[in-house]
This record gives sequence, C-alpha cells and structure tokens, in this order.
Amino acid sequence: DIQVTQSPSAMSASVGDTVTITCRASQDISHFLAWFQQKPGKVPKRLIYAASSLQSGVPSRFSGSGSGTEFTLTISNLQPEDFATYYCLQHKNHLTFGGGTKVEIK
Amino acid sequence: EVLLVESGGGLVKPGGSLRLSCVGSGFTFYAYSMNWVRQAPGKGLEWVSSISGSSSKIQYADSLKGRFTISRDNAKDSLYLQMSSLRAEDTAVYYCARDDYYEGIDYWGQGTLVTVSS
Repeated sequence: DIQVTQSPSAMSASVGDTVTITCRASQDISHFLAWFQQKPGKVPKRLIYAASSLQSGVPSRFSGSGSGTEFTLTISNLQPEDFATYYCLQHKNHLTFGGGTKVEIK
Repeated sequence: EVLLVESGGGLVKPGGSLRLSCVGSGFTFYAYSMNWVRQAPGKGLEWVSSISGSSSKIQYADSLKGRFTISRDNAKDSLYLQMSSLRAEDTAVYYCARDDYYEGIDYWGQGTLVTVSS
C-alpha cells in the first residue's frame, strides 16, 4: 500500500503569512493527489485536485504543486477563514490520506 | 446539484452490527466509483472502502480485516456499508464520498455518526 507522510502536523501562523504544507508518497503517484480543508464539525472541502488544479470557487491564494512523490500546498496571504486542518489524499492506488496539518492562529 | 445523504448511524454495542446507507442524487450514480471514509473523534480522515460503478472492483483498508462489506444498488442510487464485529475503535463519523478517477474524491455526504459502546 502507498503511505503518505504529511508535514508539519501543526503550525502557527499570522494573517498575511504564506504557509506551506508538504505530502510525501512512499511511491510514485504521478499527479493523483488532492488537497482538502476541514473546519471543526464540517465536511472536508476540496481545494486542489490533480496536484495543481484549483477547485472552482476556491480563492487563488491556494496553490498546489508537485508530482511523483513530493507535493506542496501553499496558502499565500493567509486569511482568518483559512485557519483549519488540511489533508492531502493520494488516489493512485486505493486511497490514502495524509495525517493532517492543523493551521492555528499565532 | 450533487447530493449524498447517509443514514443508518447510531449507538451499537461492541460485537454488534450496523448497516449504513448513502443515497446519491444529481448525477449518474452508476457511472461513478464510491467510497466510505471515516473520521474518529478528534482524529484524521481514514479511507474505509471503495466500490466501482459496476461493483466489479471492491477494495478495503487492510485494518478492517474482513469485518466490513461494501455494496451498491444502482437501481436505487444507493451505496451501503455492512459493518459487523464492531469495536470501540470503529466509533467515527462515516462519510460517503464520490470518486472521480482523475480527480479523486470530489463530493462528500454530511456524514453519519457510529458510536460503539456498551
């Protein structure tokens, strides 16, 4: 099975900061990776699919990059509504979620 | 509008069984693979099982050890998860999620809570 390691598990940031979250897959998954945002008590919301494609309606301050085994989610100009937990998901072989990154207010 | 609505969650004793259902609408149900994903209280997302549109391909997370069975009825636009030999660690919100081969999960249901406790 493909393992996905997401880092960091938590981070503190301020409004206006640029935040970077990384996911590493245990084997080549090409571009079969998506990013989700989840707020407490809410359903996950997809931000990025196919590693770098922005979901319709998602602000352009969110961007994804990478292919193969290393992927990055970048949030530029962090806004108050961006404080949440973020997950990556590989779907090349079965599905595997990263462990999550909680972005908290500094 | 794509909608996924789960039902069937509740309180069950350890060792018991439960059947979850998910009804899809707003899309051609049989054309999509479907998944069950769960989230234990305060924990991350965990993939449980997937089923292809024709039910020809079924996959499970290794951790389930044969206790869960996924199925679907395309005539009823419905997805099911039969859970047996339930344990406290199966306590979670269970989400039904639509799968796009190229884009992964694109739609989620609102989730149904399963609590395993004596």
